[in-house]
Amino acid sequence: EAGVAQSPRYKIIEKRQSVAFWCNPISGHATLYWYQQILGQGPKLLIQFQNNGVVDDSQLPKDRFSAERLKGVDSTLKIQPAKLEDSAVYLCASSLGLAGAYEQYFGPGTRLTVT
Amino acid sequence: AQKVTQAQTEISVVEKEDVTLDCVYETRDTTYYLFWYKQPPSGELVFLIRRNSFDEQNEISGRYSWNFQKSTSSFNFTITASQVVDSAVYFCALSGNTPLVFGKGTRLSVIA
Repeated sequence: EAGVAQSPRYKIIEKRQSVAFWCNPISGHATLYWYQQILGQGPKLLIQFQNNGVVDDSQLPKDRFSAERLKGVDSTLKIQPAKLEDSAVYLCASSLGLAGAYEQYFGPGTRLTVT
Repeated sequence: AQKVTQAQTEISVVEKEDVTLDCVYETRDTTYYLFWYKQPPSGELVFLIRRNSFDEQNEISGRYSWNFQKSTSSFNFTITASQVVDSAVYFCALSGNTPLVFGKGTRLSVIA
């Protein structure tokens, strides 16, 4: 079974530029998550989708971050414009269901450096 | 609010030693789930175990074991006879009526 795929693996941009990350979840997983992991910390949830609907985006900085999952499968996360403090690893995860009972499977992440 | 505390920031052990990683949680939910994830240097989080709040049985999987105690709100993880390949950051996480919340992680270094 293929795991969660993410691209790119690394990205370096200058502040005020825009960037987009892509995620393809495990086949059949209805729930998709985007996390931000700052160095030395645990992952922090940015947004959670159930199929193509947003379940929770309370911690997403909506003035600069946006995410979509148009067909209920792949998802993209965009930052525009980027700030220095956005430097982090962006992790995508998927699970079979919405409830906490389901374990989440994580992709390799995209390491973003904003200079 | 849900909270997970991993008080040990870094632990270093010599190969074959046993090591316990501590996890203390806070929640007001009566039904909740606890998880442990491993993050090796490659960066990908690997699922290790899930425990629901109604199952306090300890679990053993090979060299790994978990001790869940509701009375002390703890869900500790023990690696027996540690190996160099166990070197990683380990995260404890909690979910209930809110999305998954992670602790800050414990970095384990196993020295040959």
